[in-house]
Amino acid sequence: NAGVTQTPKFQVLKTGQSMTLQCAQDMNHEYMSWYRQDPGMGLRLIHYSVGAGITDQGEVPNGYNVSRSTTEDFPLRLLSAAPSQTSVYFCASSYDGTSHSPLHFGNGTRLTVT
Amino acid sequence: AQKITQTQPGMFVQEKEAVTLDCTYDTSDPSYGLFWYKQPSSGEMIFLIYQGSYDQQNATEGRYSLNFQKARKSANLVISASQLGDSAMYFCAMREAPGSARQLTFGSGTQLTVLP
Repeated sequence: NAGVTQTPKFQVLKTGQSMTLQCAQDMNHEYMSWYRQDPGMGLRLIHYSVGAGITDQGEVPNGYNVSRSTTEDFPLRLLSAAPSQTSVYFCASSYDGTSHSPLHFGNGTRLTVT
Repeated sequence: AQKITQTQPGMFVQEKEAVTLDCTYDTSDPSYGLFWYKQPSSGEMIFLIYQGSYDQQNATEGRYSLNFQKARKSANLVISASQLGDSAMYFCAMREAPGSARQLTFGSGTQLTVLP
């Protein structure tokens, strides 16, 4: 009964380093997405995917890359970390992208960039 | 304009009492979904309840119910018989029909504290 699994839970990076946040879901969901949560800014969409091989940008995509080679996995890559990317990152999936489909969230990754 | 407005930054309720968390929304799309999520201090986002724009009845899930007033564009969450474990941040969110990024748009949240 795993649902959406994110790793790691915590990460500290130095400015300029790169890393990949992993996300996997075992619910055969079509739609996957990455959000970041910042105090006073709420949750903002970074990138999303409506199926394997298809990705698109959300509200705040700069500095991040994604790919969706399988239905299950949707990794988020930070190309060159900046202090402004210090945040809590959530991966979320839903059965499809329709308005009645709830998003199911992973437990989050707390990232600090120094 | 804000798509989702939660006007109560913090709320207190006595254990075993009911509490209503307010949410108003703004959309011109006739097809949309409204969701409530709970975020405890441990940080995870937990889906609580869903209401579709075409649903005639208010949604209920255990102790959670959604007071949906479409004409007023409000979707208030009612928690009955509050428990200490209900203390958390609660987010109202909306998902509009495909055409946008199909994202959830979140409100700023209400911090609920249940008092013993």
